[in-house]
Amino acid sequence: DAKTTQPNSMESNEEEPVHLPCNHSTISGTDYIHWYRQLPSQGPEYVIHGLTSNVNNRMASLAIAEDRKSSTLILHRATLRDAAVYYCILRDVRGGGSNYKLTFGKGTLLTVNP
Amino acid sequence: KAGVTQTPRYLIKTRGQQVTLSCSPISGHRSVSWYQQTPGQGLQFLFEYFSETQRNKGNFPGRFSGRQFSNSRSEMNVSTLELGDSALYLCASSLTFLYEQYFGPGTRLTVT
Repeated sequence: DAKTTQPNSMESNEEEPVHLPCNHSTISGTDYIHWYRQLPSQGPEYVIHGLTSNVNNRMASLAIAEDRKSSTLILHRATLRDAAVYYCILRDVRGGGSNYKLTFGKGTLLTVNP
Repeated sequence: KAGVTQTPRYLIKTRGQQVTLSCSPISGHRSVSWYQQTPGQGLQFLFEYFSETQRNKGNFPGRFSGRQFSNSRSEMNVSTLELGDSALYLCASSLTFLYEQYFGPGTRLTVT
């Protein structure tokens, strides 16, 4: 599986934007970039995913570097509810075998200060 | 739309016993995956089922098994429980492999 690297932790203030980085220098052309988050005492929650172009949804934006070797999850206005562990995951669009699973790293623990 | 449900939510078992955990996916979802989460190892993939067929299995011993029924509900079984099996067991469902996965709240298993 292609590997991702994320900072162990980040801190933000409430109502400020947060940029969560992810490096994936060995990404292949068929890998989608997925982001999940896990709030305390809950199962992981899907946030967003993309392939090449930047993506927006009601929760966040995903900015993907032109060479696709890195991406950034953007929370436009952090709230206390956004405090969670954020996981950046690569999934091969070709499917099959190991591609059916999500391979979680250690993720980034985001702390939001009031 | 109801989310993924898992039963039971909490379970305490003794070493050597076996346990069965249940997962009901979101209506219409045919793919069900299972994960184990521990403080030391993080989230690890156990197995994935689609239309009653196991398509992929993680690196766990044969004591861990699962199955999926025709209504997409899934069960996982752990036999001969060990202390190290204490963990949060998460189930996730999705339409197909590439779509986002929706996780349940998990079953907290404690082995004493």
